[in-house]
Amino acid sequence: NAGVTQTPKFRILKIGQSMTLQCAQDMNHNYMYWYRQDPGMGLKLIYYSVGAGITDKGEVPNGYNVSRSTTEDFPLRLELAAPSQTSVYFCASTHSSAGMNTEAFFGQGTRLTVV
Amino acid sequence: DAKTTQPTSMDCAEGRAANLPCNHSTISGNEYVYWYRQIHSQGPQYIIHGLKNNETNEMASLIITEDRKSSTLILPHATLRDTAVYYCIVREGYNFNKFYFGSGTKLNVKP
Repeated sequence: NAGVTQTPKFRILKIGQSMTLQCAQDMNHNYMYWYRQDPGMGLKLIYYSVGAGITDKGEVPNGYNVSRSTTEDFPLRLELAAPSQTSVYFCASTHSSAGMNTEAFFGQGTRLTVV
Repeated sequence: DAKTTQPTSMDCAEGRAANLPCNHSTISGNEYVYWYRQIHSQGPQYIIHGLKNNETNEMASLIITEDRKSSTLILPHATLRDTAVYYCIVREGYNFNKFYFGSGTKLNVKP
């Protein structure tokens, strides 16, 4: 299994540009998450999804959008990139069976620099 | 989800046991304690979790106090590759919920 795959690994954007960070998982997990991690800090939740067609905001959603059209994919969209969005972005997924949660699996991250 | 408190950093000699503490005094009855670690800038890696009983797996042991207000992650024989930031998270065991990461403990394993 590939687990959680994020693309690209690195990206440099100019202020005002837009881009989509891709996240795919092949574990049939229903829950997926996007986090960002600024230097020296812990992870902050941006958006999450409990299943296809259902998304909701996390702690720091401003400047981002998400969609979940399939179980496997959970892309994160930046519409107007700003220097404050320079960060490392992690996607994660987890499974819930009969309401019981399991551990989360994380991708290797996308390092984004906005200049 | 309940908040957790961890020391900012700790040192450990290679080959010795590393004991990482975590306080979660507001934990509720249906919340589990999870431990993750992040090596360098990689994605966080699951280590272990538990509800109230002590747990052990191939990576570590988790000791939860009887009142569940604190826990300790034990790496029995730390190696240089265990140098990482360790996160203690409490999370409801049932129904959808999110993982909230604090600042974690930076464990430095020294030769």
